[in-house]
Amino acid sequence: DGGITQSPKYLFRKEGQNVTLSCEQNLNHDAMYWYRQDPGQGLRLIYYSQIVNDFQKGDIAEGYSVSREKKESFPLTVTSAQKNPTAFYLCASSIDRLGQPQHFGDGTRLSIL
Amino acid sequence: GESVGLHLPTLSVQEGDNSIINCAYSNSASDYFIWYKQESGKGPQFIIDIRSNMDKRQGQRVTVLLNKTVKHLSLQIAATQPGDSAVYFCAENIRGGSYIPTFGRGTSLIVHP
Repeated sequence: DGGITQSPKYLFRKEGQNVTLSCEQNLNHDAMYWYRQDPGQGLRLIYYSQIVNDFQKGDIAEGYSVSREKKESFPLTVTSAQKNPTAFYLCASSIDRLGQPQHFGDGTRLSIL
Repeated sequence: GESVGLHLPTLSVQEGDNSIINCAYSNSASDYFIWYKQESGKGPQFIIDIRSNMDKRQGQRVTVLLNKTVKHLSLQIAATQPGDSAVYFCAENIRGGSYIPTFGRGTSLIVHP
């Protein structure tokens, strides 16, 4: 079945460490997104990409980086500059036009050791 | 700024009752609305969407109503079941803007057997 796969499901980060969250989709979607979700909160956009080798900052990009070398992959790196990284991270994809819903992965929960 | 919000953060219902989850939006330029369901530890799942040229759209046990006059969106779930217990988000796309939706904070639906 087509879908979005995020890994790992749980991740722990040590002080000063960069960690990378994986997101792979086989839906042939052009657009991919990363969101951060904190307890009791909605989704906040970190980065998005409309096409391979191009990406744009979202509302809370500081302390994060992404790459889009392949259409199906959009990894997110949480750098040591992100001082409050503990959250639930969600990756999504969609057909690149207005009026289309997003498809989400099942998330990665990141915690600090 | 303009935002999407929800009236009730938590809604408790008895199994078999109908549930109504409300969402207010303030951007009159929004022309596409989506409801998502998020179960604990998982990513949001698309439930139903509606475009601004419609007032009502029905799915299986779910109905979305759009009142553009008062900028109000609701999700009705008929014969609510324990499996409907989740957090429900509404999201809006703004006409002429990017295709990236704006998410509300979410409403937690608790169904008591």
